[in-house]
Amino acid sequence: GAGVSQTPSNKVTEKGKYVELRCDPISGHTALYWYRQSLGQGPEFLIYFQGTGAADDSGLPNDRFFAVRPEGSVSTLKIQRTERGDSAVYLCASSYANSRGYTFGSGTRLTVV
Amino acid sequence: AQSVTQLDSQVPVFEEAPVELRCNYSSSVSVYLFWYVQYPNQGLQLLLKYLSGSTLVESINGFEAEFNKSQTSFHLRKPSVHISDTAEYFCAVSDRVGGGSNYKLTFGKGTLLTVNP
Repeated sequence: GAGVSQTPSNKVTEKGKYVELRCDPISGHTALYWYRQSLGQGPEFLIYFQGTGAADDSGLPNDRFFAVRPEGSVSTLKIQRTERGDSAVYLCASSYANSRGYTFGSGTRLTVV
Repeated sequence: AQSVTQLDSQVPVFEEAPVELRCNYSSSVSVYLFWYVQYPNQGLQLLLKYLSGSTLVESINGFEAEFNKSQTSFHLRKPSVHISDTAEYFCAVSDRVGGGSNYKLTFGKGTLLTVNP
């Protein structure tokens, strides 16, 4: 596609529920990143994929968060037992390998009530 | 760990006035530096970046930023702003050394630039 696509654009879920957030990167981009942007803050790194493997997951806040990229293209961020503090905009970005300055999607706004 | 400080959370200016958005970073190693812009209800867009070479970098819409290694700064400037420049601006840094092809970014908290008529 022309850009990084994230779905859904908005997600409201109840505390304790499981959610999946999808990212469809630009075709041919092997690097994929997830960030989280809380209200009034800059984006914070969560996880980095090079191809199918999670090369750096040091930003995941705890074991309720998990992400996959099984075929090296689409990625899914999964959050178990959601908490109100998980409410944020979740951003996905992609780039060619070794490219600095990547393309962000418009994000998924997650609200946990 | 990297940190990025954007000294002003909000900057209100009048149209056609000059503006400077300040950014300082903490790093003991060489870095790549970026400015991203987020227009209302839109995603983050790369405005400009410093990777190497000339310390003054420019964007296509009249913004420029200067890398100052001694002051660990990367301030963003525009000599005359337009109402359409109203947006949130984020400064970000990425380590040059280590991490292989991982160019994860550390962002500042952002500066909301509001251009008034």
